[in-house]
Amino acid sequence: LAKTTQPISMDSYEGQEVNITCSHNNIATNDYITWYQQFPSQGPRFIIQGYKTKVTNEVASLFIPADRKSSTLSLPRVSLSDTAVYYCLVGDPQNSGGYQKVTFGTGTKLQVIP
Amino acid sequence: EAGVTQSPTHLIKTRGQQATLRCSPISGHTSVYWYQQALGLGLQFLLWYDEGEERNRGNFPPRFSGRQFPNYSSELNVNALELEDSALYLCASSPGLAGGPFNYNEQFFGPGTRLTVL
Repeated sequence: LAKTTQPISMDSYEGQEVNITCSHNNIATNDYITWYQQFPSQGPRFIIQGYKTKVTNEVASLFIPADRKSSTLSLPRVSLSDTAVYYCLVGDPQNSGGYQKVTFGTGTKLQVIP
Repeated sequence: EAGVTQSPTHLIKTRGQQATLRCSPISGHTSVYWYQQALGLGLQFLLWYDEGEERNRGNFPPRFSGRQFPNYSSELNVNALELEDSALYLCASSPGLAGGPFNYNEQFFGPGTRLTVL
């Protein structure tokens, strides 16, 4: 699986837009970029996935440039409840033939400040 | 619909003892994954079971083992506990290999079992 690199931590004030960038230089053709959110003492939660350009849902937006070597998770107008660890990972979502495992790194700890 | 459940919530053991952790996947899911989350280390993949078989294993010693039952629930056993085994153990599930195409990047996690080794 492609290795990912993301900042260890970030701070943001309430109401601001937060952008978390992830680098994945060795992403494969069939890989998608997926982001998870983990609150303290809970399991991670899938929040968004994309292949290229832009994907938006009710929680976040995901921006992926043409070379796909990086991606940016954008959280609009964060609140204190967005304080969590955010994980970026890449993998083939349709790899039904192999023994797939999802590899998480250490993630980015986002602290939202009042 | 019930999510992934894990038991117990907390478990306290002493060095050398054995620990057994349990996981029930979402109804209809046949794949179960186990992860270890030690303080400051992110999630480390432990084991993946599907249809009762071990499909993949992370870089952990053999004293970490598990099994999956016919109802797709799973058990993680840790033998000869060491202090560094203290961590949050997370279980996740997803639709399995026999269920046709699905998103392999999306797993549904339980709340975890906090294991403390004294």
